[in-house]
Amino acid sequence: GNSVTQMEGPVTLSEEAFLTINCTYTATGYPSLFWYVQYPGEGLQLLLKATKADDKGSNKGFEATYRKETTSFHLEKGSVQVSDSAVYFCALSDPENQGGKLIFGQGTELSVKP
Amino acid sequence: KAGVTQTPRYLIKTRGQQVTLSCSPISGHRSVSWYQQTPGQGLQFLFEYFSETQRNKGNFPGRFSGRQFSNSRSEMNVSTLELGDSALYLCASTGMAGGPNTQYFGPGTRLTVL
Repeated sequence: GNSVTQMEGPVTLSEEAFLTINCTYTATGYPSLFWYVQYPGEGLQLLLKATKADDKGSNKGFEATYRKETTSFHLEKGSVQVSDSAVYFCALSDPENQGGKLIFGQGTELSVKP
Repeated sequence: KAGVTQTPRYLIKTRGQQVTLSCSPISGHRSVSWYQQTPGQGLQFLFEYFSETQRNKGNFPGRFSGRQFSNSRSEMNVSTLELGDSALYLCASTGMAGGPNTQYFGPGTRLTVL
């Protein structure tokens, strides 16, 4: 079945460090891929998305490229801030479910120290 | 445009009781999906409603049910509550404005079962 695997956390970085959170997926067909972020006590916020191979999603300095050949969608940011501390979720939209079902990775907690 | 709203934000119930949670989607969105988030199981898909019909269903027991009204608002019900039902319940609405298959989440309802 379809699945998403993320690198385990927590990830602790110093401010202005480079961030990579790895995400790989297994899916039949051509899923859309997403990164969501969750701050403490809140719901999920859409960070970025990509809908086809080689698409690059970007938002607020974060980027991820849809790599079909490696079935990956790694999240990167060149210089993290303390305010980026949160839990990040990689997800795919099951292509067999008309977009109504997201399959999530287990989440990666990021802590950025000043 | 107002985002996805969920009520109530917090609930405390005892085992054996039932509970109803409400979700109002973004105006114009016709699809509402529900997810359960727990520390142990992560984010799991419950079900999706589109135009008042359940379109997709996850692997949860029949104690979990939902419905959608003609104005796209949705409710989910959990009967005969168990301790393991304690979780953050998130709903998300999907529309075309953000691109197909893009889900926008509400803040969640935190359910505690004692």
